[in-house]
Amino acid sequence: GENVEQHPSTLSVQEGDSAVIKCTYSDSASNYFPWYKQELGKGPQLIIDIRSNVGEKKDQRIAVTLNKTAKHFSLHITETQPEDSAVYFCASRGSNYQLIWGAGTKLIIKP
Amino acid sequence: ETGVTQTPRHLVMGMTNKKSLKCEQHLGHNAMYWYKQSAKKPLELMFVYNFKEQTENNSVPSRFSPECPNSSHLFLHLHTLQPEDSALYLCASSQGGSAGANVLTFGAGSRLTVL
Repeated sequence: GENVEQHPSTLSVQEGDSAVIKCTYSDSASNYFPWYKQELGKGPQLIIDIRSNVGEKKDQRIAVTLNKTAKHFSLHITETQPEDSAVYFCASRGSNYQLIWGAGTKLIIKP
Repeated sequence: ETGVTQTPRHLVMGMTNKKSLKCEQHLGHNAMYWYKQSAKKPLELMFVYNFKEQTENNSVPSRFSPECPNSSHLFLHLHTLQPEDSALYLCASSQGGSAGANVLTFGAGSRLTVL
């Protein structure tokens, strides 16, 4: 079946440094790629998304890039802050219109 | 109260018990979802309701029984569960009917432990 692979499963970075999380999808018909952030004790919350007709999208300190040829997309967080500590999930919308999720990346920001 | 509210937040039940999880959304959305979240695994879509009609059932065992009386409320009835059903159950809503077509707003989840 279709799947999304997400790496790394855990990422520890120094406060102020950048963090990059990568995902690979298998369904070449996928056309929508959201990123969700889940803080402790809360449900996931959309932080940024990108559609297949765009290669990059930015929103302040976060950005997402998409390489359709390679079926890769990545989340970039610059100038990381303690409040960025959370679990991040990537997803892709497959040909059946359902979201297919990655397994999550636990981001730890070290003070 | 706004957003998506789930109750109870924590539930412990034996394998022979019957319990229910409740979800309520105050966003005016017309689609509601149940997801299962297990540690270090992708979110698993269980059920989707669009305008109170079930549109997805991803091969979920019959011991999980959803109910959607209206577009604002969603229940998950639990009966004779197994220990492997222990997980965080997330409810979500969206404006559109397809799971991937629109932004999902999630509740905080109900942490279920089956003894």
